[in-house]
Amino acid sequence: DSGVTQTPKHLITATGQRVTLRCSPRSGDLSVYWYQQSLDQGLQFLIQYYNGEERAKGNILERFSAQQFPDLHSELNLSSLELGDSALYFCASSVGTAEGDEQYFGPGTRLTVT
Amino acid sequence: GQQLNQSPQSMFIQEGEDVSMNCTSSSIFNTWLWYKQDPGEGPVLLIALYKAGELTSNGRLTAQFGITRKDSFLNISASIPSDVGIYFCAGYQSGATNKLIFGTGTLLAVQP
Repeated sequence: DSGVTQTPKHLITATGQRVTLRCSPRSGDLSVYWYQQSLDQGLQFLIQYYNGEERAKGNILERFSAQQFPDLHSELNLSSLELGDSALYFCASSVGTAEGDEQYFGPGTRLTVT
Repeated sequence: GQQLNQSPQSMFIQEGEDVSMNCTSSSIFNTWLWYKQDPGEGPVLLIALYKAGELTSNGRLTAQFGITRKDSFLNISASIPSDVGIYFCAGYQSGATNKLIFGTGTLLAVQP
């Protein structure tokens, strides 16, 4: 158990809908990262937050947004969902204060868009 | 999106055999991380490497940070059935320390 929690475990929704994925980092970690894992693209970095502020952006679509709250949990919002958004979404956390932090991953949310 | 080249893509071995896999890039990396992922689960951190030439062990696992800083290697000795899974290398590029780039993965199957 990495100490990172994610909810829900599974999510099934229809095209055009909006969903929110939730992540709680390990105790003491200030950075939260979101990743998308699909069969054809592998694990892709989406976005990082550090202590409530956006720190880095990867291949995140404009339909997707995220935020980190004062209690350090984070939410990833996916809107206008398309079939191609079906994937595993992982959250990871790290201490966040040093370059090249070790990232610890949560169990993921499997999103199926029908 | 960017991915690191990882080889082999898959390995099918007998229990007790040693395993080697590697990860290469055309760019310089400052940190290498090795993860194992079971189906439907999140990646689990196995080993972290921070300096060129560094050799680090975690039980039967040994990983090395390549001298050129463009590659890394993972060895598993005396494999057991629970070693089955997908192994990913990941790294932070020089100058881009917030974006962890993942390899394409090596699927390991161990026959008892």
